[in-house]
Amino acid sequence: EVQLVESGGGLVQPGGSLRLSCAASGFTFSSYDMHWVRQATGKGLEWVSAIGTAGDTYYPGSVKGRFTISRENAKNSLYLQMNSLRAGDTAVYYCARGDHGDPNAFDIWGQGTMVTVSS
Amino acid sequence: SSELTQDPAVSVALGQTVRITCQGDSLRSYYASWYQQKPGQAPVLVIYGKNNRPSGIPDRFSGSSSGNTASLTITGAQAEDEADYYCNSRDSSGNHLPVVFGGGTKLTVL
Repeated sequence: EVQLVESGGGLVQPGGSLRLSCAASGFTFSSYDMHWVRQATGKGLEWVSAIGTAGDTYYPGSVKGRFTISRENAKNSLYLQMNSLRAGDTAVYYCARGDHGDPNAFDIWGQGTMVTVSS
Repeated sequence: SSELTQDPAVSVALGQTVRITCQGDSLRSYYASWYQQKPGQAPVLVIYGKNNRPSGIPDRFSGSSSGNTASLTITGAQAEDEADYYCNSRDSSGNHLPVVFGGGTKLTVL
C-alpha cells in the first residue's frame, strides 16, 4: 500500500524548533518530488516547502530562512526542520507526493501532524 | 509567487451540476490540480492536468481551463461530494516545484 505517515508534531514555545518526519512506503521514494503543506485550523492549504529528486529545495517567503526540507532516500524519509517558530506556524502539517508527470499534482498525502506554537 | 482566487462557498441541489472556479495569472501557463477535503481528513486529488482523474475518482468530476480560469465541474452532485475544494498550480517563479493554493471553496449539497 502506498502510504505517507507524518510524525514529530507537538507543542513548542515561540522561537523554538521542531523536526517533522514523513515515512514513505509502497513506492520508490527516491523517484518522487516531495512537499510539505500546512493548514491552520479552519483555514486553507498553504504550501510550505518542496524537494526534488535531485535534492533541490524550494520555499515560500513565509518560511524561507526558518524551515529546511530534506530527504533521506535510504530510509524512505522526508523531513522538515522548523526553527524560529511563531504562533502563525501553528497548523496541521501534511507531507505529500508530487505526481511524476505533473509537478503540482499531489497524488498521495499523509494524515498530518499537528504543530502548536504557544507559550 | 502568484495568487489563486476561489469563491468561498458554492451550493448545488442534489443531482444537479456545479462548477467551482479558480482564477490566477499562473493558470494562463499551467494547469490547475483540484483537491477534495472532508472534515478531519487529508486532501484527496480529484483532477490534474488537462482533465485527468486519479484511479477511484468518479467520472462525475471533470476539469477545464480557459484563459486565467480553471474550473472543476461536478455533474450530478451527490451528498458525499459536500466538502472543501482547493485548486493549486505552479507559481510564477519559473521553477518546476513551487506551487500556490487557492483559498478553497466550501461546497454544500442541498
